Amino acid sequence: QEQLVESGGGVVQAGRSLRLSCAASGFTFSSSPVHWVRQAPVKGLEWVAFISDDGANTFYADSVQGRFTISRDNSNNTLYLHMHSLRPEDTAVYYCARTARYCAGDCYDLWGQGTLVTVSS
Amino acid sequence: QSALTQPASVSGSPGQSITISCTGTSSDVGYYDYVSWYQQHPGKAPKLMVYEVYNRPLGASDRFFGSKSGNTASLTISGLQAGDEADYYCSSFTSSNTLVFGGGTKLTVL
Repeated sequence: QEQLVESGGGVVQAGRSLRLSCAASGFTFSSSPVHWVRQAPVKGLEWVAFISDDGANTFYADSVQGRFTISRDNSNNTLYLHMHSLRPEDTAVYYCARTARYCAGDCYDLWGQGTLVTVSS
Repeated sequence: QSALTQPASVSGSPGQSITISCTGTSSDVGYYDYVSWYQQHPGKAPKLMVYEVYNRPLGASDRFFGSKSGNTASLTISGLQAGDEADYYCSSFTSSNTLVFGGGTKLTVL
């Protein structure tokens, strides 16, 4: 069964750092571009970051550029999001999501269950 | 990276059809045919319903139909069912190699 499982969320003070993980199973993770997408409480979805299957290419939303770093460890089938200088507006459920093989323009056919990050001021 | 514009809410009765619009710019919706639509039930992760404007992934209902004209994409759901009540989000790949979502539309089945 294909699965993505996020972990690492929690309550953190503004200005501090946090690392999220996303464990993949049931598919060839090293062949899959993956993303982080977040959703603030009672708000819409916001794309956060992308990493190519080999980790060579990354892209970020303007709102996190310079503060967040996406990375992956294909030998351990794990995706990461390193978050620094956290702000209250970063409070959200963070999802990892896989780009569908059949999708040229980034659509997501597999999502994790999400992990909640709460940044207190 | 401004969010795409969707109506906050739409409603319809069982069996009816509804359409949700998603308006962007020439740098996103109008730039590529890379618009997707997601359904999200409360407390759940989003589910892909339509990709590349009008394509449906395996397992998605054929009652969901996507289209696009210029900078505006649309999702039409026909034969409304109670289980269709959810939040719907559009997304578009952009000319900057990023992704942008719409603000979301709450569908109520009366």
